[in-house]
Amino acid sequence: DTAVSQTPKYLVTQMGNDKSIKCEQNLGHDTMYWYKQDSKKFLKIMFSYNNKELIINETVPNRFSPKSPDKAHLNLHINSLELGDSAVYFCASRRTGTEAFFGQGTRLTVV
Amino acid sequence: GENVEQHPSTLSVQEGDSAVIKCTYSDSASNYFPWYKQELGKRPQLIIDIRSNVGEKKDQRIAVTLNKTAKHFSLHITETQPEDSAVYFCASYGNAGNMLTFGGGTRLMVKP
Repeated sequence: DTAVSQTPKYLVTQMGNDKSIKCEQNLGHDTMYWYKQDSKKFLKIMFSYNNKELIINETVPNRFSPKSPDKAHLNLHINSLELGDSAVYFCASRRTGTEAFFGQGTRLTVV
Repeated sequence: GENVEQHPSTLSVQEGDSAVIKCTYSDSASNYFPWYKQELGKRPQLIIDIRSNVGEKKDQRIAVTLNKTAKHFSLHITETQPEDSAVYFCASYGNAGNMLTFGGGTRLMVKP
């Protein structure tokens, strides 16, 4: 059983399109995250969300938005995709005070 | 917000030597410091972590030290092996903001 799963694993799309990446965790964790990993491997936090609070990294463009239908899911919506959005996006989850578990990543390529 | 600096960005050692990676953090309220290993094309995975009430923790060939006063922590890998080659990330978690912030990563290469 996969603890944190993301779909799709690969996503190729044209500039200007709108796309979504889904994330689900079956660990009962209370907090979920989205990270962007660029070509230099830097893991940049984009969002932190639990059932009480959404925290947004102020450097993230408002074209990016998280949507959480329930505690086990945190999807990432991206509007008007740009070339610079190409990266690997990781979802992660954790219970307060413990380690974070990562999904397998979604490689987004904008052409 | 929290700022985590990690050094060096690349590290090359001979098999059997030790490797040390250092991180500093800015938020004095941070209380949990995990280290992740990321192999090529894979997800980051936890290798060891330390909490703010502990100064050192060891797990076989891996150890982590924490100096809360100076706000820095380090990863020590002894008797390195080729399979230790990967990118290593330190991270810091503070109560404020519920954010887990990562350092810039260290690419470790262990030469046989």
